[in-house]
Amino acid sequence: AQSVTQPDIHITVSEGASLELRCNYSYGATPYLFWYVQSPGQGLQLLLKYFSGDTLVQGIKGFEAEFKRSQSSFNLRKPSVHWSDAAEYFCAVGARNAGNMLTFGGGTRLMVKP
Amino acid sequence: DTGVSQDPRHKITKRGQNVTFRCDPISEHNRLYWYRQTLGQGPEFLTYFQNEAQLEKSRLLSDRFSAERPKGSFSTLEIQRTEQGDSAMYLCATNLGRNSYEQYFGPGTRLTVT
Repeated sequence: AQSVTQPDIHITVSEGASLELRCNYSYGATPYLFWYVQSPGQGLQLLLKYFSGDTLVQGIKGFEAEFKRSQSSFNLRKPSVHWSDAAEYFCAVGARNAGNMLTFGGGTRLMVKP
Repeated sequence: DTGVSQDPRHKITKRGQNVTFRCDPISEHNRLYWYRQTLGQGPEFLTYFQNEAQLEKSRLLSDRFSAERPKGSFSTLEIQRTEQGDSAMYLCATNLGRNSYEQYFGPGTRLTVT
């Protein structure tokens, strides 16, 4: 069974600073990988996805993520954080089977200092 | 494209009562997923439909839970004899189906059982 670990429950960064959110996964084959963002009381918005090919993927809102097979990681990065980026971020792995259901990590809550 | 919609957004009920939630998918999305998210956790898969067929159910889906998608469009999730442990955010997600792997989430229904 697949699993996802997000080691950092909370992260605080200053506005304008760079950001990296960690994600490690466990899956028996090449996974589908996703990052979603959730604002308080809201649903999840897809930031970016990796299926195959180039291991550095670009997403919306200036985010990018890099798939590293050797480290089973898919870390999310942004070079300069904006106050509006404060939210909860979830990494997810999708099963390469008929259902493609997602398994999520526990999330990382990002706070941005002015 | 109006996105995935869910109704109601919030529901407060007393223990032992039955509740029903509705999800309307993005047009032409033939896969529909239900997830449950408890406070401070990532979403957990409950069940999914391919058109009107319910193809997989998580062990989290106890006998008190039932989901339907009668015409392959909207879906309902019913919880009978609610318990306080059912308090959570219930999220619906949809995608186009085969060869489409990213899921698009609705805003969720927040259930509080008192």
